[in-house]
Amino acid sequence: DVKVTQSSRYLVKRTGEKVFLECVQDMDHENMFWYRQDPGLGLRLIYFSYDVKMKEKGDIPEGYSVSREKKERFSLILESASTNQTSMYLCASRLGLSRAKLFFGSGTQLSVL
Amino acid sequence: AQKITQTQPGMFVQEKEAVTLDCTYDTSDPSYGLFWYKQPSSGEMIFLIYQGSYDQQNATEGRYSLNFQKARKSANLVISASQLGDSAMYFCAMREDLTGGGNKLTFGTGTQLKVEL
Repeated sequence: DVKVTQSSRYLVKRTGEKVFLECVQDMDHENMFWYRQDPGLGLRLIYFSYDVKMKEKGDIPEGYSVSREKKERFSLILESASTNQTSMYLCASRLGLSRAKLFFGSGTQLSVL
Repeated sequence: AQKITQTQPGMFVQEKEAVTLDCTYDTSDPSYGLFWYKQPSSGEMIFLIYQGSYDQQNATEGRYSLNFQKARKSANLVISASQLGDSAMYFCAMREDLTGGGNKLTFGTGTQLKVEL
């Protein structure tokens, strides 16, 4: 089975801190994605990557950056955390094929105080 | 502009009845794909069904079927014979193919389904 692992289930950070959210997949997937999930807003795409060192902005990239130095790892970086970035963050990966489904990690609930 | 629209924030259905969850999408690309995911209260995301824009027939997976109406840009999920375990949040998602390579997947806001006895 495909495994998408997010390094932390819960994180509490202070305003202004630099925050790293790590995601690792073990199935050699080309595509990786970061979403945030908020009640009533669904899943919103922050950034995605379809190859090593490639990154594309999603719908809400402001305040975030990403890094993909190795194929299996996709990191989300909050350069200076703010309270409006308190959210559930979901990482996902998939093969680069049309019908390929997304595999999700278990999520990181980030609270910024 | 919203690419994926789910207009039903919440739905109720009685056990053993069928229910339709609505999803409309917006794209000018001829090649795209539509997914449905289920998220129970545990939080995990469970893949249910996929429909490609060129697929000739509507997708079916067990009790799940996708009512794909291309001209209307709708991809509604139909759950037959609802069970208590179907109570969950349901998300519709669309895959768009980028000209430079890679795919973008965007989700709707979800529909919370509750199955009642």
